[in-house]
Amino acid sequence: DSGVTQTPKHLITATGQRVTLRCSPRSGDLSVYWYQQSLDQGLQFLIQYYNGEERAKGNILERFSAQQFPDLHSELNLSSLELGDSALYFCASSVLVGPLHFGNGTRLTVT
Amino acid sequence: GENVEQHPSTLSVQEGDSAVIKCTYSDSASNYFPWYKQELGKRPQLIIDIRSNVGEKKDQRIAVTLNKTAKHFSLHITETQPEDSAVYFCAASISGNAGNMLTFGGGTRLMVKP
Repeated sequence: DSGVTQTPKHLITATGQRVTLRCSPRSGDLSVYWYQQSLDQGLQFLIQYYNGEERAKGNILERFSAQQFPDLHSELNLSSLELGDSALYFCASSVLVGPLHFGNGTRLTVT
Repeated sequence: GENVEQHPSTLSVQEGDSAVIKCTYSDSASNYFPWYKQELGKRPQLIIDIRSNVGEKKDQRIAVTLNKTAKHFSLHITETQPEDSAVYFCAASISGNAGNMLTFGGGTRLMVKP
């Protein structure tokens, strides 16, 4: 167990809908990272937060947004969903310059 | 931005043989290089990492080497076992005040045949 908690584990929704993925980092970790992994693909960086502030942004679509709350949990919001958004979404956390520890992911299926 | 290339994409070895996976990176400012193992449907798990002030690091059957001049690093697994079968990802980052955002390679599917 990495100590990073992601909910829900699975999400099935229809095109055009909006979903929210939640992540609770390991105790003491202030950084949260979101990654997308499509079928048989690598890990694509979406966005990073540190202590509530956005620190880095990858190839995140404008339909996607995220935030980190004062209790350090983070949410990734995906809207106007398309079939191509179906993927595993991983959250990871770290101390500022420490190793990333990944949660078990949320599998999103858009039908 | 950083770009990480990983080779080979698939690797099949006999149990007991060694496996080597190689990665190159583009940004000479990168200073942190972890390796992750991902089993099917599971989360990536850190297996070993190395920082740019070190040329080699070993942990039991796993070792990583780094060549900063050539901007490449490699994972070596000795005495492979069937449970080593998984997808392995290398990554690179500029670890510092901005955090530790990792850029991943495309992955190597390792199959260890009993």
